[in-house]
Amino acid sequence: LAKTTQPISMDSYEGQEVNITCSHNNIATNDYITWYQQFPSQGPRFIIQGYKTKVTNEVASLFIPADRKSSTLSLPRVSLSDTAVYYCLVGDRITGGGNKLTFGTGTQLKVEL
Amino acid sequence: DSGVTQTPKHLITATGQRVTLRCSPRSGDLSVYWYQQSLDQGLQFLIQYYNGEERAKGNILERFSAQQFPDLHSELNLSSLELGDSALYFCASSPTGRASGYYEQYFGPGTRLTVT
Repeated sequence: LAKTTQPISMDSYEGQEVNITCSHNNIATNDYITWYQQFPSQGPRFIIQGYKTKVTNEVASLFIPADRKSSTLSLPRVSLSDTAVYYCLVGDRITGGGNKLTFGTGTQLKVEL
Repeated sequence: DSGVTQTPKHLITATGQRVTLRCSPRSGDLSVYWYQQSLDQGLQFLIQYYNGEERAKGNILERFSAQQFPDLHSELNLSSLELGDSALYFCASSPTGRASGYYEQYFGPGTRLTVT
């Protein structure tokens, strides 16, 4: 069971770049690293997923070093609307083909003016 | 909008009662997942169905059960409700149920259950 550790909270200002690092020392060979965003009373929303090196999409970048024991979610030029909880996950492979997401406590990002 | 729908949005009921929560996955998605989110436990995986069959089980109580129907919608049944069952219940869907390491799931807006 691959567990993740990430900071409980982070504060930033509008326009800044925010980097949230997650450690996952026991990640399995076939596991992907996935990040979700959740606003209060809403369902989590998929942000980005990667296996190694760097992945970039329209909202974020994900940096994964060669040993894959950690990953960093980078949010460029954050705004107030990026205030949310960010979850780092690695998959739990279940015998029989199931997919189980294990959410940790997440990182509460607060963006201020 | 994720494309996943859940009904009802809110549900208030008394202890000992039974309720049914409904979820319709995104068009084309075969897998449905149920999660419970409470203030003290965070977001907990309950159960997964893939094309009508149970595929993975998490921290689901025996008082809870789920099923996925031929049209792929799913229902989560909660019985003998207790105060501690008050929580947000989310449904998510994904195209695949394979344990391939691909974990992009699309979450619905949730059902807020309040047990009084």
